[in-house]
Amino acid sequence: RKEVEQDPGPFNVPEGATVAFNCTYSNSASQSFFWYRQDCRKEPKLLMSVYSSGNEDGRFTAQLNRASQYISLLIRDSKLSDSATYLCVVKVSGGFKTIFGAGTRLFVKA
Amino acid sequence: NAGVTQTPKFQVLKTGQSMTLQCAQDMNHEYMSWYRQDPGMGLRLIHYSVGAGITDQGEVPNGYNVSRSTTEDFPLRLLSAAPSQTSVYFCASSYRQSSYNYGYTFGSGTRLTVV
Repeated sequence: RKEVEQDPGPFNVPEGATVAFNCTYSNSASQSFFWYRQDCRKEPKLLMSVYSSGNEDGRFTAQLNRASQYISLLIRDSKLSDSATYLCVVKVSGGFKTIFGAGTRLFVKA
Repeated sequence: NAGVTQTPKFQVLKTGQSMTLQCAQDMNHEYMSWYRQDPGMGLRLIHYSVGAGITDQGEVPNGYNVSRSTTEDFPLRLLSAAPSQTSVYFCASSYRQSSYNYGYTFGSGTRLTVV
């Protein structure tokens, strides 16, 4: 079992749709959580950190459920420019271990 | 504001050749790391460094060496290239890992093909 698992997709949605990505992690010592965005043939870029209380950045909302070891990302009012791969990232406490999920591919269509 | 600079962007090597991938950052980040990205597998950590003079192995270190003589630079050396090392390589940096909510800044990547 992978330490961080994501649905690979692809998710194909129309503009204006709401789409949700899920991520599960297996290491209970996981301390910090992030969502990164990666465009085709580009480097990953930090989209947002994920806090225990949940957090929002414009159209993006991230949630964390430590009991279920589950992270989510909700994108509202999808734009064509949201088309990318979204990576779930987990940092484990007590060391320097950062684990990247394989990513979920999103296509937003006009 | 350069961020993390990787060179070269593309490279083709023959099996058995050696080469060095360069990485430099100008953000005074203590932590630097090298990842490789292969289809369907996510990014896997090769080597990392928490400061000048300190390096350690990640998940897939075999066939690679690193050194960290300065805070700014963290080169990755392929000792004897193999086709299994065909991948996209990313260098990433951040403030020290104990600051858990700091994310990484990535370089633009090096696409390496070993034939």
